[in-house]
Amino acid sequence: EVQLAESGGGLVQPGGSLRLSCAASGFTFSDHYMDWVRQAPGKGLEWVGRITNKANSYTTTYAASVKGRFTISRDDSKNSLYLQMNSLKTEDTAVYYCTRGPYCSSTTCYSGRWFDPWGQGTLVTVSS
Amino acid sequence: IQLTQSPSSLSASVGDRVTITCRASQGISSYLAWYQQKPGKAPKFLIYAASTLQSGVPSRFSGSGSGTDFTLTISSLQPEDFATYYCQQLNSYPLTFGGGTKVEIK
Repeated sequence: EVQLAESGGGLVQPGGSLRLSCAASGFTFSDHYMDWVRQAPGKGLEWVGRITNKANSYTTTYAASVKGRFTISRDDSKNSLYLQMNSLKTEDTAVYYCTRGPYCSSTTCYSGRWFDPWGQGTLVTVSS
Repeated sequence: IQLTQSPSSLSASVGDRVTITCRASQGISSYLAWYQQKPGKAPKFLIYAASTLQSGVPSRFSGSGSGTDFTLTISSLQPEDFATYYCQQLNSYPLTFGGGTKVEIK
């Protein structure tokens, strides 16, 4: 069974840092792009950013709202995805989901671009 | 690319036909996905390429559209379909979501 499980959420003060982790199982993690999506309380979904796979040079792309503050990384040997969040703001308060993106080589994608599956999410609260 | 979903909420009865629209601010070909989210749960992927159902998704769900205008239709609403639905464009970064449509019980 394909599964994703986030961890590392919690309460942090404005200006602080937090590192989220996402453990993947049930699929060849190293083949896939991976994404982070967040959802503020009572609000809609917001894409945070993506990391591609080794074949695509582990390229990262971020939403404007987090660029320069958040860093996505991965460790394929541990089937793990990470989100390092620095200079946190109250508006970063949200449930953070990791999700699997497409499986792509350097020239083509072998699966669709959609996000599936999603982890259960981890809550990050930024408050003093 | 901005995605505008309408309506933002609707009330419907079991057995009703429900249609949700998603309009993109520029053309995205068929690079659109739909997701269903129930309270306290992670989103669930439903439809890709605007009209192709993910494996296991009931056939009462259907999608259509290309370019800028898309629709998600539930042909006969079931109790388990009451949820919030999001569209997402997968054409270009940032990979934006629509604001969501909450389907409630009438």
